[in-house]
Amino acid sequence: GAVVSQHPSWVICKSGTSVKIECRSLDFQATTMFWYRQFPKQSLMLMATSNEGSKATYEQGVEKDKFLINHASLTLSTLTVTSAHPEDSSFYICSASRGALGIGQPQHFGDGTRLSIL
Amino acid sequence: AQTVTQSQPEMSVQEAETVTLSCTYDTSESDYYLFWYKQPPSRQMILVIRQEAYKQQNATENRFSVNFQKAAKSFSLKISDSQLGDAAMYFCAYIKYGGSQGNLIFGKGTKLSVKP
Repeated sequence: GAVVSQHPSWVICKSGTSVKIECRSLDFQATTMFWYRQFPKQSLMLMATSNEGSKATYEQGVEKDKFLINHASLTLSTLTVTSAHPEDSSFYICSASRGALGIGQPQHFGDGTRLSIL
Repeated sequence: AQTVTQSQPEMSVQEAETVTLSCTYDTSESDYYLFWYKQPPSRQMILVIRQEAYKQQNATENRFSVNFQKAAKSFSLKISDSQLGDAAMYFCAYIKYGGSQGNLIFGKGTKLSVKP
């Protein structure tokens, strides 16, 4: 159980394009979903946290107008990289949790999306 | 501020042998959770093991076990009978009890190679 599907797995697009990444919890309801960015050989950097039906909470330094997050249901969250530029190229990973992390609920991760902006 | 440190960027182990990955953390909290996550070349992060700080007993999951030393703020992962499929990046992570959603803190990771 606890499967998280992330789509697409790889995107190559031109500079200025907006790209939408989907994150779905397939067999559980995700109270909270998280979006991370991972640079090569680096750890995961939390970008934002989203709770179903409410606005996402962005980490310091993350542009909320650049990275739009929508968490419309308990099984789906989307990240839209608006007007993407080469510096936005990275590996983006979503994760989902059944409950609050602070009571020990683990995160379940998607496969990640490799975004390449030309 | 809480920090998680993995001092071994890379480790190598012979198949069927045992390897220990180190993790230390810094916190002023008394109640928290610690995790080890595995990220294989396919890139999906997988939870390996979880430890509650209030439990003195070390968590175990099959071939994976931890050595949790609360006073020393150490949380090492031991992999016994290493298998080729254990090759991956391993991340240690921390969150304080009752912490907000964004307070899961990851270490920089340790790349484990398994030699046949």
